[in-house]
Amino acid sequence: NAGVTQTPKFQVLKTGQSMTLQCAQDMNHEYMSWYRQDPGMGLRLIHYSVGAGITDQGEVPNGYNVSRSTTEDFPLRLLSAAPSQTSVYFCASSYSGAYGYTFGSGTRLTVV
Amino acid sequence: GQQVMQIPQYQHVQEGEDFTTYCNSSTTLSNIQWYKQRPGGHPVFLIQLVKSGEVKKQKRLTFQFGEAKKNSSLHITATQTTDVGTYFCAGDNAGNMLTFGGGTRLMVKP
Repeated sequence: NAGVTQTPKFQVLKTGQSMTLQCAQDMNHEYMSWYRQDPGMGLRLIHYSVGAGITDQGEVPNGYNVSRSTTEDFPLRLLSAAPSQTSVYFCASSYSGAYGYTFGSGTRLTVV
Repeated sequence: GQQVMQIPQYQHVQEGEDFTTYCNSSTTLSNIQWYKQRPGGHPVFLIQLVKSGEVKKQKRLTFQFGEAKKNSSLHITATQTTDVGTYFCAGDNAGNMLTFGGGTRLMVKP
């Protein structure tokens, strides 16, 4: 099993550009989430999904969109990148809310 | 919304000393999870506590969940250099959202 796979690992964007961060899991997990981690800070929830076709906003959803058309994939779209979105982004999945999450290795995004 | 606070932010210890990090939630939790993140790495799930007053052990790590299910602690006995990293608690209030604390960064001097 590959677990949770995130691509790309690194990305530099110019202000105003859009892009999609990819996340895929092969564990048949229903729950998937996107977090951002800023230097010296904890993880803040951006969006989450409890199953295919269902998404909801987390603590810091502005500037990001998600969709969940399949159980395996949960892409995160940055609509118009801003320097404030410079961060490390983690995707995570879980069998359900009652189980621990498996995290991907992260995408380090820099917006200039 | 739900807030999860964690203290201390940083802790330097001499190898062999004990270490404790504390986690407090503004709301009652259905469960609490603990994660470890090594420098440059991603969070790795350690354990989940569900019952009021629950205590679980993993070798030198002891995890506790408060009676009111609003606070938790992680205690490491006789730290080793391999314990270095940031320890996060994360609370679930049964609303499908897992809220992370700010983490405690543990540094161990050999």
